[in-house]
Amino acid sequence: VQLVQSGAEVKKPGESLKISCKGSGFGFTNYWIAWVRQMPGKGLEWMGLIYPGDSDTRYSPSFQGRVTISADKSISTAYLQWSSLKASDTAMYYCATFSGQGYWGQGTLVTVSS
Amino acid sequence: FMLTQPHSVSESPGKTVTISCTRSSGSIASNYVQWYQQRPGSAPTTVIYEDTQRPSGVPDRFSGSIDSSSNSASLTISGLRTEDEADYFCQSYDGSDQVFGGGTKLTVL
Repeated sequence: VQLVQSGAEVKKPGESLKISCKGSGFGFTNYWIAWVRQMPGKGLEWMGLIYPGDSDTRYSPSFQGRVTISADKSISTAYLQWSSLKASDTAMYYCATFSGQGYWGQGTLVTVSS
Repeated sequence: FMLTQPHSVSESPGKTVTISCTRSSGSIASNYVQWYQQRPGSAPTTVIYEDTQRPSGVPDRFSGSIDSSSNSASLTISGLRTEDEADYFCQSYDGSDQVFGGGTKLTVL
């Protein structure tokens, strides 16, 4: 089982961004995929979930309207995107499954700086 | 609801340490609790899932439990090794809403 995330990104405030998480070795379509934020030196924050089988998506109230979660089940990939980044979006972002023993991606570092 | 963990714990090699995770509302027994280990610079990995289950590859020095009387879950690590030094996070859910504890920094002196 693997969740492989896209590489680190450096962006300017106001720019858009879409990062990805590709699953393999398990039935990606039938597992809820979560996105988790970890700001520098801080704890884990749940952002939202998507069920790739039917794209049912749930958001944490803290992130609703600030990010968009999507998935393409044909290529076993989930996405997290921003339309207008802020410096406060600088963080490590993880995708993960929490079903059963759970698996985590390696993380994508997003740096937003002018 | 919230999950509250101690900010830090420390113990000597070879000893046993227990990290608590207290649920603020709702029953701790109503939804599974998971525990994740995060070493510096690495992604989290699961050490306990579904309250008490260990993934393959996690040594049996790691164990999980829940206590309804204190509405808390616990992660116990016995025979501490220096490699156990890490941050530990508990996680549970209510419906589709996921909640993480604030994390506990374990120092193995």
